[in-house]
Amino acid sequence: KAGVTQTPRYLIKTRGQQVTLSCSPISGHRSVSWYQQTPGQGLQFLFEYFSETQRNKGNFPGRFSGRQFSNSRSEMNVSTLELGDSALYLCASSSTGASGNTIYFGEGSWLTVV
Amino acid sequence: GEDVEQSLFLSVREGDSSVINCTYTDSSSTYLYWYKQEPGAGLQLLTYIFSNMDMKQDQRLTVLLNKKDKHLSLRIADTQTGDSAIYFCAETASGTYKYIFGTGTRLKVLA
Repeated sequence: KAGVTQTPRYLIKTRGQQVTLSCSPISGHRSVSWYQQTPGQGLQFLFEYFSETQRNKGNFPGRFSGRQFSNSRSEMNVSTLELGDSALYLCASSSTGASGNTIYFGEGSWLTVV
Repeated sequence: GEDVEQSLFLSVREGDSSVINCTYTDSSSTYLYWYKQEPGAGLQLLTYIFSNMDMKQDQRLTVLLNKKDKHLSLRIADTQTGDSAIYFCAETASGTYKYIFGTGTRLKVLA
């Protein structure tokens, strides 16, 4: 069974640009969540989607957005990139997203903003 | 409020036991988790404990939960060099659909 797949794995963007990251969950999983990992802030929750609906959102500016498709694949977008957006972006999937439902992480997308 | 704290570093000798500690503040947490992250990789689930349990053992791993003090610990018996990684505790509460992660403890195992 394939794990959570994130693309691209590495990318470099310039300040002011926008970026889209993609996540394919484990087959059968309908919940997808996104986290930002930085050395200074650790792992921060961005948002969670289930059946194309956002159920929870973290404390990030509106430049950060996401969506989920009918096949449960998810994308997140960051517009007007800032240097501080440089981070590892992790996607996780689970069957329902409910507490007690184990989430499985992808290997992440490393974003560098220059 | 939501806050999960861990000590930043731990160094142990190969073969010794490691104990990684975590404190959390959200009393409504229903599940508490331990994840491992190796360099350049995502997070790997090690084990988890339901909030009404005090202890859970899984091979070399023992999780202790003191709900009164909101303290969680992970003991790794017979620590090996392959256990060197960053360990994160995390909590989740019913209906929130999100995990709150600790700051991570970097475990270094000395040969």
